[in-house]
Amino acid sequence: GAGVSQSPRYKVAKRGQDVALRCDPISGHVSLFWYQQALGQGPEFLTYFQNEAQLDKSGLPSDRFFAERPEGSVSTLKIQRTQQEDSAVYLCASSLGGGGEQYFGPGTRLTVT
Amino acid sequence: QQQVKQSPQSLIVQKGGISIINCAYENTAFDYFPWYQQFPGKGPALLIAIRPDVSEKKEGRFTISFNKSAKQFSLHIMDSQPGDSATYFCAAAYSGGGADGLTFGKGTHLIIQP
Repeated sequence: GAGVSQSPRYKVAKRGQDVALRCDPISGHVSLFWYQQALGQGPEFLTYFQNEAQLDKSGLPSDRFFAERPEGSVSTLKIQRTQQEDSAVYLCASSLGGGGEQYFGPGTRLTVT
Repeated sequence: QQQVKQSPQSLIVQKGGISIINCAYENTAFDYFPWYQQFPGKGPALLIAIRPDVSEKKEGRFTISFNKSAKQFSLHIMDSQPGDSATYFCAAAYSGGGADGLTFGKGTHLIIQP
């Protein structure tokens, strides 16, 4: 595709439910990033993949958050036992390689009730 | 500790005027400084970026000024238009360590009045 796509665009989950958010990066982009954007704030880094290797997961807020990119293309961010504080927009970005320009998808707005 | 501080939080500029947004960073290892524009309900879109080897970069109506000694950089939007009304984020990254996650400022909500 022409850009980064994410699905679903909106997700409502009851507290305690598990959710899975999908990211399709730009074809050929080696690097993939996940960010969390709270309302009225800037995006905050969660994790980074280079191909299928997760090289940095220092931004994941708790062990309830898990990300994977098994074949080096599509990535899934999974949040287990969702809490109200997990409500945010989850953004995915991709870039050609290390140090390159990052292009963002439209995000998934997660609301935990 | 906030590593990238952005100001102002909000800004109102008349059509045709110059919009100026400022950022300051603390980590001297940062070597990549992009600016993103975000409309409601959309993801951030890359506007322009600079690396520390130059002090200024211009693309169309958008200019980044960079002051390495002061650890500051700014975005200037010339001839501001109503379509420029959006939230702008500065960011910084260290590209030498393999992990290039961006550190963002808190954003500036820009309104261009017609």
